Amino acid sequence: AQSVTQLGSHVSVSEGALVLLRCNYSSSVPPYLFWYVQYPNQGLQLLLKYTTGATLVKGINGFEAEFKKSETSFHLTKPSAHMSDAAEYFCAVSVSNSGNTPLVFGKGTRLSVIA
Amino acid sequence: DAGVIQSPRHEVTEMGQEVTLRCKPISGHNSLFWYRQTMMRGLELLIYFNNNVPIDDSGMPEDRFSAKMPNASFSTLKIQPSEPRDSAVYFCASRGSAYEQYFGPGTRLTVT
Repeated sequence: AQSVTQLGSHVSVSEGALVLLRCNYSSSVPPYLFWYVQYPNQGLQLLLKYTTGATLVKGINGFEAEFKKSETSFHLTKPSAHMSDAAEYFCAVSVSNSGNTPLVFGKGTRLSVIA
Repeated sequence: DAGVIQSPRHEVTEMGQEVTLRCKPISGHNSLFWYRQTMMRGLELLIYFNNNVPIDDSGMPEDRFSAKMPNASFSTLKIQPSEPRDSAVYFCASRGSAYEQYFGPGTRLTVT
């Protein structure tokens, strides 16, 4: 069965520092991978996705993630944190390539940005 | 595109009352998902539909919960009777031909 593990339920960084949120997945088929962001009192918003092709994908708000098959990882990074990046971040994997089944989500990582 | 629309955005009700949450998916999307989010349990998938047909309702916590999708543009999640432990944020999401899911803004339910 497919699964997602997000290391660290809470990450705190200083404004201007590197953001690194970790995600490892388990999948028996080539995965499609996603990062979502949830701001307070809002729904989940797609940040970026990897399906095929280039393994380094860029998303909104300066975030990017790299698919590393050998490490079964899809870590999310941003070179310089802004106060507005404070939110909950979810990593997700597609269960199959049929497109008919739900995404499997990790438990989320709350990012705090300190001024 | 208006995105996924949910109503109401907030609902406060007394224990024992019936609660109906509504969702309008993005036009053209053929899959719809209902989730519940709490501090204790995080994000839980309750049920999902493909082409208006319920596929997996194993996440529905009890028989008090039911969901319908009478047509491609409307779905409801009903709780009857409601209990305080049902208090949560309920999200609806939809998906088209791509793999990503698009979430609505959620309904915050408080049962007193």
